Amino acid sequence: QVQLQESGPGLVKPSQTLSLTCTVSGGSISSGGYYWSWIRQHPVKGLEWIGYIYYRGSTYYNPSLMSRVSISVNPFKNQFSLELSSVTAADTAVYYCARSQSYDYFDSWGQGTLVTVSS
Amino acid sequence: EVVMTQSPATLSVSPGERATLSCRASQSISSDLAWYQQKPGQAPRLLIFGASTRATGIPGRFSGSGSGTAFTLTISSLQSEDFALYYCQQYNGWPPRVTFGGGTKLEIK
Repeated sequence: QVQLQESGPGLVKPSQTLSLTCTVSGGSISSGGYYWSWIRQHPVKGLEWIGYIYYRGSTYYNPSLMSRVSISVNPFKNQFSLELSSVTAADTAVYYCARSQSYDYFDSWGQGTLVTVSS
Repeated sequence: EVVMTQSPATLSVSPGERATLSCRASQSISSDLAWYQQKPGQAPRLLIFGASTRATGIPGRFSGSGSGTAFTLTISSLQSEDFALYYCQQYNGWPPRVTFGGGTKLEIK
């Protein structure tokens, strides 16, 4: 059974870049057949999809974040990563990594990691 | 962007009774809809995809219906572990654009 685990700093200063990594175990990212995503959950605004990546590197992003976001994959480490630049307090959220069968619903999730943007 | 609206925001139901949760899309999404359950401190768990197909391991008391713009999640006989937050999510269209509803809190009456 696949497991996903987020890691990265829990505190980021305003205007800096938020960087998180998701480590996948119980399955290989490069085996294909799955797509990998970042999703965040604001305390008030609810769930927000950030973007998808396929192991070959193709990406699709939420248009509202596209100018600031980058998702990359490292098949050798069985990881994929999120970078979100120029963060503000509005980017404070629990960040989840997740798996999908295609560009659709999410059948496996990491436990989530809280990132707070504050000086 | 497809806006997903869930109602009610909070639903109070007694154990053993039926709960009906609604989700409406701002435009037709065919059957490209999923439902999730979330408990405090946990990640969302997939319940239903394709509007009506139960995910692996999901009990039969959970059922989904609808297509186009109006969808329903029904829990036929509420168990104590079912009291949680429920979200709908659409995944229709190309390029991929995923949006979630605002959630319904299912609480014990």
